[in-house]
Amino acid sequence: NAGVTQTPKFRILKIGQSMTLQCTQDMNHNYMYWYRQDPGMGLKLIYYSVGAGITDKGEVPNGYNVSRSTTEDFPLRLELAAPSQTSVYFCASSSPGTGPFYGYTFGSGTRLTVV
Amino acid sequence: LAKTTQPISMDSYEGQEVNITCSHNNIATNDYITWYQQFPSQGPRFIIQGYKTKVTNEVASLFIPADRKSSTLSLPRVSLSDTAVYYCLVGDIGNRDDKIIFGKGTRLHILP
Repeated sequence: NAGVTQTPKFRILKIGQSMTLQCTQDMNHNYMYWYRQDPGMGLKLIYYSVGAGITDKGEVPNGYNVSRSTTEDFPLRLELAAPSQTSVYFCASSSPGTGPFYGYTFGSGTRLTVV
Repeated sequence: LAKTTQPISMDSYEGQEVNITCSHNNIATNDYITWYQQFPSQGPRFIIQGYKTKVTNEVASLFIPADRKSSTLSLPRVSLSDTAVYYCLVGDIGNRDDKIIFGKGTRLHILP
C-alpha cells in the first residue's frame, strides 16, 4: 500500500515552460487535493476534486489546471511557468467516510523551481 | 470555516511537556478541531481530532474547554524528533464541500 505518490520529487523549469505534476493514490479515496507551500508559510489549496470527473478551484488556482479522469490520478498542470510558482507542491487524498478533516493522507511533495 | 490563531513559534527542551494553544472564537456547532504535524520536507500528517472535553491517543492529548473557543494540544515528554510545524484546523468533518485551509502553524523547536 503506497498511499499517495507524487512525481517528480524535484524539478527546475524555465520561465514559460510547462509541466505536469503527477499524483496517484491507491486507497480508493474519492477526495483529492493539490496544495502549494511557500518557504516558511502554511499550505494553500490550489484545486480539489470530490470524485472522478469533478474538480473545483481552491484559494490560489490561477496559473494551474487539473483533471480527474480516474479515482486514482489527479495531475496538476502548469502551462506557462512563472517564478511566482516556485514552491513545494503537495497532493493529498481522503475518504468521504472519514471526511476531509480526518484521515487526510499527503504525498511527499514536489519541489519546483522556476528560473 | 472558523479562523484559528496559534503562536508562530515555540521552543522547549527534551523531556518536557509542551502545550500549544489555538484560538477559534467563531467555531460552529458542527465543527471539529483537528491538529496536523509537518516535519521538514514532508507533507502534514494527522495527529489528533476532537469535539469537546479531552481526547488522548498514543501521540498527544487534546484539551477543549466547554465553550470550545480554544483548544490545547499537549505533547508529553517531547524529544528532538518532535521538532516540526503544528497546524490547528477547525471545520465540519461531515461537510463534503469543506476543505482544509492551513494557516502558518506553530513552529516547535525542541532543544537538547
